[in-house]
Amino acid sequence: DAGVTQSPTHLIKTRGQQVTLRCSPKSGHDTVSWYQQALGQGPQFIFQYYEEEERQRGNFPDRFSGHQFPNYSSELNVNALLLGDSALYLCASSTPQSSYNEQFFGPGTRLTVL
Amino acid sequence: AQSVTQLDSQVPVFEEAPVELRCNYSSSVSVYLFWYVQYPNQGLQLLLKYLSGSTLVKGINGFEAEFNKSQTSFHLRKPSVHISDTAEYFCAVSLYTGNQFYFGTGTSLTVIP
Repeated sequence: DAGVTQSPTHLIKTRGQQVTLRCSPKSGHDTVSWYQQALGQGPQFIFQYYEEEERQRGNFPDRFSGHQFPNYSSELNVNALLLGDSALYLCASSTPQSSYNEQFFGPGTRLTVL
Repeated sequence: AQSVTQLDSQVPVFEEAPVELRCNYSSSVSVYLFWYVQYPNQGLQLLLKYLSGSTLVKGINGFEAEFNKSQTSFHLRKPSVHISDTAEYFCAVSLYTGNQFYFGTGTSLTVIP
């Protein structure tokens, strides 16, 4: 049973560019959350997708957008990249059927903005 | 609003010694409590969780944590650490009614041979 997978592993972009990160949830999970983890910090919640809609959003600008597909996989898009967007981006999957809110995390995508 | 404070950013400890990593949280509503571990260049792995019931919870790799409601704390402990425990540890909370996780800033545990 594959866990949460993310692609690519690493990515280098320049300021002003746009980037798309991808996530496939754990088998049986239908909810995907995205987190940004800056160097030396804890993960910060970006948003969550369920039934192909954004269900909850953290304190991130509109440059951060997402999408969820019918197979529950998800994309995170960031426009007009800034140096401060350099971080590890983590995807987590879960299911409402869980009796608590455990989230399973992927290995992350390391984004470097030059 | 919810917040999580990890009181120690770095904790060095000798191999086979006990360790405690401290976590305090603030929330106006009931929360679930979690500890995650992150090894270098990897994602987060769940160590243990507190949902309800007994305030002492046991997790993987010999770790345990105690929930103290009056002190709003959820400290992580291990009686004897190994070199392989060297990693970043994150305390997190989530609301009963929500799905968002709030993480602390992490504690870097370094086990010294």
